Amino acid sequence: GAGVSQSPRYKVAKRGQDVALRCDPISGHVSLFWYQQALGQGPEFLTYFQNEAQLDKSGLPSDRFFAERPEGSVSTLKIQRTQQEDSAVYLCASSFVSRIETQYFGPGTRLLVL
Amino acid sequence: KQEVTQIPAALSVPEGENLVLNCSFTDSAIYNLQWFRQDPGKGLTSLLLIQSSQREQTSGRLNASLDKSSGRSTLYIAASQPGDSATYLCAVSILETSGSRLTFGEGTQLTVNP
Repeated sequence: GAGVSQSPRYKVAKRGQDVALRCDPISGHVSLFWYQQALGQGPEFLTYFQNEAQLDKSGLPSDRFFAERPEGSVSTLKIQRTQQEDSAVYLCASSFVSRIETQYFGPGTRLLVL
Repeated sequence: KQEVTQIPAALSVPEGENLVLNCSFTDSAIYNLQWFRQDPGKGLTSLLLIQSSQREQTSGRLNASLDKSSGRSTLYIAASQPGDSATYLCAVSILETSGSRLTFGEGTQLTVNP
């Protein structure tokens, strides 16, 4: 596709529910990043994939957060037993090569946990 | 830990004015610095990317400078227009072996009044 796409765009979950957020990166992009953006804040790094390998997951806030990219293209961020503090916009970004290329961001998934 | 600060948090100017947004970072060992634009409910759009070896980049009415030794960058917007109204985010990429995560500031919310 022309850009990074994310689905769903909006998700309302009840506390304790599991959610799955999808990211379709730009075709051919090797690197994929997930960020969490709380209201009024800048995005914060969650995790990074190079192809199917998750090379850095140091930003995941708890073991309730899990990300995968099994075939090196589409990625899913899963949040188990959602809490109210998980409410945020989850942004996905991709780049052709991690270090020297700009990251292209998707529109984000806005998650609201009630 | 790298910290990025943006000043001011919000700025309101009349159309046609030239303006400067400021960004500072605590660790000068960066790989590059990017300025992004974020419109409400949308993802991030990369405006300018400055490699650590560069001093500035220009695109149209935008000019970004980088002083790595002092940990500062500025984004200069000439002849501002109402369409420039958005949140502007500064992000640095640090040198690390596992990837190229971005560390963001909290953004400057710009309003250009017609």
